[in-house]
Amino acid sequence: GQSLEQPSEVTAVEGAIVQINCTYQTSGFYGLSWYQQHDGGAPTFLSYNALDGLEETGRFSSFLSRSDSYGYLLLQELQMKDSASYFCAVIEGGKLIFGQGTELSVKP
Amino acid sequence: NAGVTQTPKFQVLKTGQSMTLQCAQDMNHNSMYWYRQDPGMGLRLIYYSASEGTTDKGEVPNGYNVSRLNKREFSLRLESAAPSQTSVYFCASSEVLAGEQYFGPGTRLTVT
Repeated sequence: GQSLEQPSEVTAVEGAIVQINCTYQTSGFYGLSWYQQHDGGAPTFLSYNALDGLEETGRFSSFLSRSDSYGYLLLQELQMKDSASYFCAVIEGGKLIFGQGTELSVKP
Repeated sequence: NAGVTQTPKFQVLKTGQSMTLQCAQDMNHNSMYWYRQDPGMGLRLIYYSASEGTTDKGEVPNGYNVSRLNKREFSLRLESAAPSQTSVYFCASSEVLAGEQYFGPGTRLTVT
């Protein structure tokens, strides 16, 4: 089986940096993805890590350590529009298994 | 280029009724997926189709059936709806890499 753990809630202020962690247990691992979902909206793809290290896309970066079964999403220069739920997901057997999500609240 | 489209956007069913949720993608993706999302929860995979002509069960397939009609379309059928199937249903597609999926806007289903 597989399981993913991420914090349920994170709060930060506008302009700050926030890190959302994700630990996973899976029988076969191919990669870790991150998705953003605004209230009432559809999930949107943010990043994917198959290899150890940091991937940067604008204000967002994602990190993976396969030996530690751990990854994180780093959001810099936080904006109010970044308030959303963030999901990590692992690829197993050609499909994605999602975590429960982290609700990020950005305060002015 | 509409991406992934789903119909209907909203639906209310009575227990025991049946319905089909439609999904289509215009990105020429090989793989398509159906998820459900309950309040405050992550997405749970119902069924997926790795390529045209194949379908496989996900985490929560009971009470559902799917049809991969062609490369573009993947439908989800509830044969006898139950209140436990009240949820938001998302369809998604991916080219090859399952980690990068594109989602439709969702169908909000209520079963009374």
